[in-house]
Amino acid sequence: QKEVEQNSGPLSVPEGAIASLNCTYSDRGSQSFFWYRQYSGKSPELIMSIYSNGDKEDGRFTAQLNKASQYVSLLIRDSQPSDSATYLCAVAPGTYKYIFGTGTRLKVLA
Amino acid sequence: KAGVTQTPRYLIKTRGQQVTLSCSPISGHRSVSWYQQTPGQGLQFLFEYFSETQRNKGNFPGRFSGRQFSNSRSEMNVSTLELGDSALYLCASKVSQETQYFGPGTRLLVL
Repeated sequence: QKEVEQNSGPLSVPEGAIASLNCTYSDRGSQSFFWYRQYSGKSPELIMSIYSNGDKEDGRFTAQLNKASQYVSLLIRDSQPSDSATYLCAVAPGTYKYIFGTGTRLKVLA
Repeated sequence: KAGVTQTPRYLIKTRGQQVTLSCSPISGHRSVSWYQQTPGQGLQFLFEYFSETQRNKGNFPGRFSGRQFSNSRSEMNVSTLELGDSALYLCASKVSQETQYFGPGTRLLVL
């Protein structure tokens, strides 16, 4: 079992729809969770961080964390073509490193 | 505040050569981590340096090494390059144990 798992996609959604990206992790002791967006040929950029169970909203983005079920998700409301990218889930299991999933490729269709 | 910078941005080397990549973190950030990104394996952690000491290490062979200087700048060295070392090498810095910020990366092609 991979430490951080994501569906590779592509996940295709129409413009204006809600995109839902999911991530599961194996280390129950993980405390910090992050979503990064990576455009093709570019480096990852941080979208959201979440540390407590529940939802955290920032503009069109909502991160959801459920530590009991060991999953974290990212919702993108009113998806735009400019949101088309690969979304990386990262987990910090309490040590000094991050573990990344392989990413989900999102395609927003105009 | 300036972001993380990496040099060079692109490199072409041949098998057996060695390469040194450089990373300058965001001002005030003392932690620098290095990652290798390939299409097949995704982002894989190489190592992290904090205050000139390697604090954590991923599962890479000893050909991959790094160091950090007193000004927090970091270098990564890969010796005896192999074709499989072709990748995007990313550096990330952070000020605490939490959010890290990535540089633009160095794209290495080994022929």
